[in-house]
Amino acid sequence: QVQLQQWGAGLLKPLETLSLTCEVYGGSFSGYFWNWIRQSPGKGLEWIGEINQSGTTKYNPSLTSRVTISADESKSQFYLKVKSVTAADTAVYYCARALIGWGNPSDIWGQGTVVTISS
Amino acid sequence: QSVLTQPPSVSAAPGQKVTISCSGSSSNIGHSYVAWYQQFPGTAPKLLMFENDKRPSDIPDRFSGSKSGTSATLDITGLQTGDEADYYCGTWDSSLSAGVFGGGTRVTVL
Repeated sequence: QVQLQQWGAGLLKPLETLSLTCEVYGGSFSGYFWNWIRQSPGKGLEWIGEINQSGTTKYNPSLTSRVTISADESKSQFYLKVKSVTAADTAVYYCARALIGWGNPSDIWGQGTVVTISS
Repeated sequence: QSVLTQPPSVSAAPGQKVTISCSGSSSNIGHSYVAWYQQFPGTAPKLLMFENDKRPSDIPDRFSGSKSGTSATLDITGLQTGDEADYYCGTWDSSLSAGVFGGGTRVTVL
């Protein structure tokens, strides 16, 4: 059974860089696209970006200047970096798997990582 | 402000039916398949519907989806207390070249 396990720092100061890792267990890495999605407290879901099996990425236009998604197929891991964070980046961050093709739905999700930005 | 528009809440008695709408535009719902997700408090979302009206194998047929033009709908029939959750629609926006979600709908069983 495929599982996504994610981790990263949960408390950051403004202007620091948020870094999260998501590892894929029990399934193929190369046959899928990989997403990051976040949810601010009490709010809805926000798509952050996606990476395909070739390493091509697409990002939310509102975040593209600060976000980098990358992957290491040899480790079955993919990563999220958000630079220059502010309080508005406080959220639960989820990694998720999607079928090949931009915008396909996410069928497997990580457990979520709570990230708080506070001075 | 979400790209896709959903009602904040819907409610009905046990056994009844609720309908959740998701309204978009020609660049998103009108152009792409719609997915629906179910989320219980404190947990990750779960895929409920994909390609407008297809259910993953573990989703009961009380849940059904449809799409017409630039709007999509999720129906829940035979409502159960265990269906109380937040429901989100999502799709791809070809103009933004980005994934988009609705703001979410809270389903309450009266």
